[in-house]
Amino acid sequence: QKEVEQDPGPLSVPEGAIVSLNCTYSNSAFQYFMWYRQYSRKGPELLMYTYSSGNKEDGRFTAQVDKSSKYISLFIRDSQPSDSATYLCAMSRSARQLTFGSGTQLTVLP
Amino acid sequence: DTGVSQDPRHKITKRGQNVTFRCDPISEHNRLYWYRQTLGQGPEFLTYFQNEAQLEKSRLLSDRFSAERPKGSFSTLEIQRTEQGDSAMYLCASSLARQGVTSYEQYFGPGTRLTVT
Repeated sequence: QKEVEQDPGPLSVPEGAIVSLNCTYSNSAFQYFMWYRQYSRKGPELLMYTYSSGNKEDGRFTAQVDKSSKYISLFIRDSQPSDSATYLCAMSRSARQLTFGSGTQLTVLP
Repeated sequence: DTGVSQDPRHKITKRGQNVTFRCDPISEHNRLYWYRQTLGQGPEFLTYFQNEAQLEKSRLLSDRFSAERPKGSFSTLEIQRTEQGDSAMYLCASSLARQGVTSYEQYFGPGTRLTVT
């Protein structure tokens, strides 16, 4: 079993929809949580990061971490076609190596 | 462009050949990481450096793989006697860590896509 599980999708939504992306994990030592966006054949781009439990908002993006349930989420409000990409969750025990989920492929239809 | 850069962007090689990739991190970043990503999967950690010291290596990093960061700036990743299973995207990332401040934000380069035929 992988340490980080992420639904691969694909997920297809109409423009303007609220998107919910999720990951679960098994290692309770993880305390840094990140979301990356990756366009096809490009490197991952850091979107959001949080430390320990709680919520963080940045524009149309909200990241949530529930350490008691070992569950993290990324919400995208007012989704745009330019948000179409693969979204990767990542987590770390100690700000060194990241452990990634397998990514969720999102398509926002105009 | 002051982001992480990688060279080459694409490499096609025959099985058994050696290949070397280069990564130039963001200039003030002292930590440098190598990851490998295969199709449909997330990146997997290979190794990381703080300045010129290689501090951690994954069990994925077989003895055919070697990484260096001789002056604490750019890094190279060499794969000897390539195998078809080495075909992947090799990603480099960098971050900043200094006394009292540790950034867990890793910034990735565009990757080097390796195809072993």
